[in-house]
Amino acid sequence: DAGITQSPRYKITETGRQVTLMCHQTWSHSYMFWYRQDLGHGLRLIYYSAAADITDKGEVPDGYVVSRSKTENFPLTLESATRSQTSVYFCASSERSSPLHFGNGTRLTVT
Amino acid sequence: GQQVMQIPQYQHVQEGEDFTTYCNSSTTLSNIQWYKQRPGGHPVFLIQLVKSGEVKKQKRLTFQFGEAKKNSSLHITATQTTDVGTYFCAGFNTNAGKSTFGDGTTLTVKP
Repeated sequence: DAGITQSPRYKITETGRQVTLMCHQTWSHSYMFWYRQDLGHGLRLIYYSAAADITDKGEVPDGYVVSRSKTENFPLTLESATRSQTSVYFCASSERSSPLHFGNGTRLTVT
Repeated sequence: GQQVMQIPQYQHVQEGEDFTTYCNSSTTLSNIQWYKQRPGGHPVFLIQLVKSGEVKKQKRLTFQFGEAKKNSSLHITATQTTDVGTYFCAGFNTNAGKSTFGDGTTLTVKP
């Protein structure tokens, strides 16, 4: 979907480094989400946001920080990356109870 | 918290055979959404069901929402190789204020 973009598409970082994954949507959707998907597994919710300056924890929030100062942006920060955070990260946006629009994902490798 | 179970986890079929995946929620849902994720891709919205007992069709795909609004199914008639991928259901619960994804069913089709 052209309306939601994630960057970078691929990232390799070292254990202990801070890394930020970016997500930008052009629909002005109220809700934004971060999921991680490990090989052969489903989508696990990390954090979500119902509006600017409102964020909530999902299933697996430990080790991650989010912010939402503007409606269109929802960056995800790994404060001190660990190997267990190697995964594919998907950002999504929607209006409440409406279908989610997913970005193309960021493939993160922590060495 | 709300749980959404999806079975089977994997399904291998011969091209031309039918395929069904089932989704069950621990709570009553406001709606249920179905997504398809092609290998290496991101989840893409297929359909949303809202009404009790609702049935919707998209070509060879038939989606059903249970009478109690706690379960759903996706049935594919005469599978094709283009149907390969992982199919996710996501149930929206008003109290939770967000959707919960099932773990997905990965379909492989042998030509």
